[in-house]
Amino acid sequence: AQSVAQPEDQVNVAEGNPLTVKCTYSVSGNPYLFWYVQYPNRGLQFLLKYITGDNLVKGSYGFEAEFNKSQTSFHLKKPSALVSDSALYFCAVSPNTGFQKLVFGTGTRLLVSP
Amino acid sequence: DTGVSQDPRHKITKRGQNVTFRCDPISEHNRLYWYRQTLGQGPEFLTYFQNEAQLEKSRLLSDRFSAERPKGSFSTLEIQRTEQGDSAMYLCASSLAEVVDTQYFGPGTRLTVL
Repeated sequence: AQSVAQPEDQVNVAEGNPLTVKCTYSVSGNPYLFWYVQYPNRGLQFLLKYITGDNLVKGSYGFEAEFNKSQTSFHLKKPSALVSDSALYFCAVSPNTGFQKLVFGTGTRLLVSP
Repeated sequence: DTGVSQDPRHKITKRGQNVTFRCDPISEHNRLYWYRQTLGQGPEFLTYFQNEAQLEKSRLLSDRFSAERPKGSFSTLEIQRTEQGDSAMYLCASSLAEVVDTQYFGPGTRLTVL
């Protein structure tokens, strides 16, 4: 069975500093991995995905994520945080065969202080 | 706006009543998903359509829940005899039938059962 762990309920970072939001996964075979962001009372917005190839994936709004197969991790990163990045971030995994149901983590709240 | 739309955005109902939600996917997307998100949790998969065919249903989808996508375009999710435990955000997502599904989410319908 697939699963995702986001070990931090909340991450606090000062504006201008680099940020990392952690994600580890468990799936049979090779995974497809995704990051989504959710603003209050809004649906999820797609940020980026890893399919295959380069372990560093670049996405929207300056975010990137690094796939590490040996550590089964897919951490979200940004070199310089903005106050407007404050939101709820979800990591998700799907199998790379057949029906691609997304399994989400519990989310990490990112709070960027001015 | 050409994104996924959902209606209504909010629904308050009394226990035992039936409710129906509508989802309009991105026009060229032939895959449609329903998820449920409760407070403090990530979205959980409910069901999936490819065109008008419902191909997958979660165990979370009890007999009181039914979903349709009659012409392969919009979809409805009906909950009969609502219970307080049904209170949640119901999210719809759509995608193209590509090798890797990138699911794009609507804003959700927040259901409150009194």
